[in-house]
Amino acid sequence: EVQLLESGGGLVQPGGSLRLSCAASGFTFSNYAMSWVRQAPGKGLEWVSAISGSGATTYYADSVKGRFTISRDNSKNTLYLQMSSLRAEDTAVYYCAKDLWDSIPSYGMDVWGQGTTVTVSS
Amino acid sequence: QSALTQPASVSGSPGQSITISCTGTSSDVGSYNLVSWYQQYPGKAPKLMIYEGSKRPSGVSNRFSGSKSGNTASLTISGLQAEDEADYYCCSYAGSRTHVVFGGGTKLTVL
Repeated sequence: EVQLLESGGGLVQPGGSLRLSCAASGFTFSNYAMSWVRQAPGKGLEWVSAISGSGATTYYADSVKGRFTISRDNSKNTLYLQMSSLRAEDTAVYYCAKDLWDSIPSYGMDVWGQGTTVTVSS
Repeated sequence: QSALTQPASVSGSPGQSITISCTGTSSDVGSYNLVSWYQQYPGKAPKLMIYEGSKRPSGVSNRFSGSKSGNTASLTISGLQAEDEADYYCCSYAGSRTHVVFGGGTKLTVL
């Protein structure tokens, strides 16, 4: 079964850091681009970042550029999102998602995790 | 404010057809055939319903269809069923600087 399982969310103070992980199973992880998408409480979806299958190419939304870093470890079938200089407006459920192909983001994201909640508050 | 504009809500009766619009610009929807649509139930992860404008993933009902005209993409649901009641989001590739944009979402109510 194709599956994504996020972890690492929690409560963090403004200005703090957090690393999210997304463990993939059931497919050849390195063959696909991966994305992070977030959803603030009661709000819509917002694309955050994406990474190519090899990890060589990364993409960021302007709202997180310079503060967040996406990476992947294909030997561990795991996607990461390192978040720093966190702000209240980063509070959201963070989903990892598998892209349909290993190409530019996004032709479509066909597998999603259940999400992990990040709360930025003092 | 979302980059793509969707109506906040639409409604329809069982058996009817509804269409959800997604209006972008010549920098995103209008320039690429890379619009995708997602269905999301409250508290659940989104589900891909349409990709590359009009293609359906395996397992998605053929009652769901996608199209595009100019800068506006559309999702049509025919033969509306109670289980279709959910939030729907459009998404588009937006070029090498912005990359990906979502619409604000549309709440579908089945009357």
